[in-house]
Amino acid sequence: QQPVQSPQAVILREGEDAVINCSSSKALYSVHWYRQKHGEAPVFLMILLKGGEQKGHDKISASFNEKKQQSSLYLTASQLSYSGTYFCGTELPGTASKLTFGTGTRLQVTL
Amino acid sequence: DSGVTQTPKHLITATGQRVTLRCSPRSGDLSVYWYQQSLDQGLQFLIQYYNGEERAKGNILERFSAQQFPDLHSELNLSSLELGDSALYFCASSPGGDLTGELFFGEGSRLTVL
Repeated sequence: QQPVQSPQAVILREGEDAVINCSSSKALYSVHWYRQKHGEAPVFLMILLKGGEQKGHDKISASFNEKKQQSSLYLTASQLSYSGTYFCGTELPGTASKLTFGTGTRLQVTL
Repeated sequence: DSGVTQTPKHLITATGQRVTLRCSPRSGDLSVYWYQQSLDQGLQFLIQYYNGEERAKGNILERFSAQQFPDLHSELNLSSLELGDSALYFCASSPGGDLTGELFFGEGSRLTVL
């Protein structure tokens, strides 16, 4: 069951904030976030396990609401280097290493 | 550089043909994952191998098969190729067999079927 990401695309000016959401129709065990720049391989950002924890990575943080089966990625004071496509990957309980990615959110940061 | 090596980087072939994509994981990683990324699509999980054994299976077509060898490199075989198989195929590796850590992705093999 592929998670649904929103928005599909967003354009920001440098320094602005953005939120990317990832929703699942099924209970989740973990949520993984990756960023892929054009023509490059996806790069890991962070993993969130069920429990509603929030993690941070520089000015990028994320939360996981297991009751809503939803995760949000927060990008604060965006930089040009944040441009790329962000994918959330979800792992369901008992699915043994199956990470199902959403279709991605394309983020463009401009001057 | 993630440390994961994929060959070839680009491959152009005709419908009905068979190709093999190769992946060498990071040194010490026991798991290899294969993903397919079509134009404007997300990453579709195909299959995972852990220490030579199939660990998890996703939406892999019967025309596709994979294996992991004793030296831990992996190959993805695609046969009876169709136009719709044109995609970027990523290999990723991780140290363990589960998803508690990050996946390290290779640069991908771009397959074009004409």
